[in-house]
Order: sequence, then C-alpha cells, then structure tokens
Amino acid sequence: DTGVSQDPRHKITKRGQNVTFRCDPISEHNRLYWYRQTLGQGPEFLTYFQNEAQLEKSRLLSDRFSAERPKGSFSTLEIQRTEQGDSAMYLCASSLVSASTGELFFGEGSRLTVL
Amino acid sequence: AQSVTQLGSHVSVSEGALVLLRCNYSSSVPPYLFWYVQYPNQGLQLLLKYTTGATLVKGINGFEAEFKKSETSFHLTKPSAHMSDAAEYFCAVTVNTNAGKSTFGDGTTLTVKP
Repeated sequence: DTGVSQDPRHKITKRGQNVTFRCDPISEHNRLYWYRQTLGQGPEFLTYFQNEAQLEKSRLLSDRFSAERPKGSFSTLEIQRTEQGDSAMYLCASSLVSASTGELFFGEGSRLTVL
Repeated sequence: AQSVTQLGSHVSVSEGALVLLRCNYSSSVPPYLFWYVQYPNQGLQLLLKYTTGATLVKGINGFEAEFKKSETSFHLTKPSAHMSDAAEYFCAVTVNTNAGKSTFGDGTTLTVKP
C-alpha cells in the first residue's frame, strides 16, 4: 500500500516565477487536502477536494494560488508570481469520507524556497 | 470555528521520565480530536484519535490521551520517554468529519535527554 506522495520534495525558485506541486493520494481516498506549514507553526488549511470538486478554500489562498484535481485522483497546486512570503512546506493529505474518523494521511511535503 | 492551543512550544524530559504535552481546544459542537507526530523531514503521522466513546484513548508507541470535555482538553502522555520519541507533536480538532478540514495547533517540540 503506497502512501501519499508529493513531488517535488524541494523547490528553489526566484521571486516572480511560477511553481507547481503535485500530490498523489492514497488510491481509494476520495478527499484530498492542501496545507501550508511555516517554521514554528502548525499546518494551516488551504483547500480541499472531494473527488474532483473543490469544496472549500481558505482566505490564505490568494488569487495567485490555484489547485486542481481534474479526475479526482492526483492534484496540483500552482503558485503564480511567487513571493518570498510563499516560502513554506506545502503538505498534501488524503482521507476516506466513508471511514468517518477524520484521520488524515499526509505526504512528506514539498518545501518551497523563494529567493 | 474551531481552534487549538498547545501550551509550551518546547518540552524537554529525561529518558524514562513522564511525557506530558498539553492541548486545549475550542469548539461549538462535539469535536473529534487527534494527535499527530512529525519526525524531521517526514510527514505527519497519526498517534491517536478521539471520536466518541471511551475518553481515554491509546495510540502507537505507548502514548495515550484523555478527552476532558469540562476542561476542553486533550493532553498527550507517555509514562516513560524514549530517545526515539524526540519529534514535533501536533494536536488537531475536527468538528465534523463531513465538514472536511482539521485545525492544527502550533506544535510542541519534544526533546529527550539521555
């Protein structure tokens, strides 16, 4: 059983560039979440999908951020015109709604450094 | 809206000593509560969870937590710390699993001294 995988694990970019992260959830999981984690803080919710539908977006998700889950399987998180404040760990998690426990299964994260 | 407060961003104990990591939550409806552990350069993994039923829940690696509604607390304990317990620990609350997201505390870094 493969867990949640994220790619790339590390990304260094210059301010103003666009970056895209990919998340592959556990195969039977219908929910997929994106969180952002900065040093000294817990994960902050960004958005989540149930199948291909994006059900909620945090106000943290500015218009430079967009997330998709086109076929209800993998998801991408794109950040346009990156800023230094976007430097963080971007975490993806998945869950199975029918399990009704609320437990999240996390990937190892994609660390973004904006120079 | 729900929230979580973890008291103490850093806790240091000696190997073999009691571990106590504190978590208080705020929720307008009965919560589901979780503790996750994060080792360096790894993702978060579930230690234990409270949904309904027994208020004392046991998790992996000898950890346990007690849900106290009157105190809005869900503190994490382990009777005897091991060097391998050194990690960052996050408490999280979900008010309704169908509502989606969990809200996390800012974490507590546990250091275990030999």
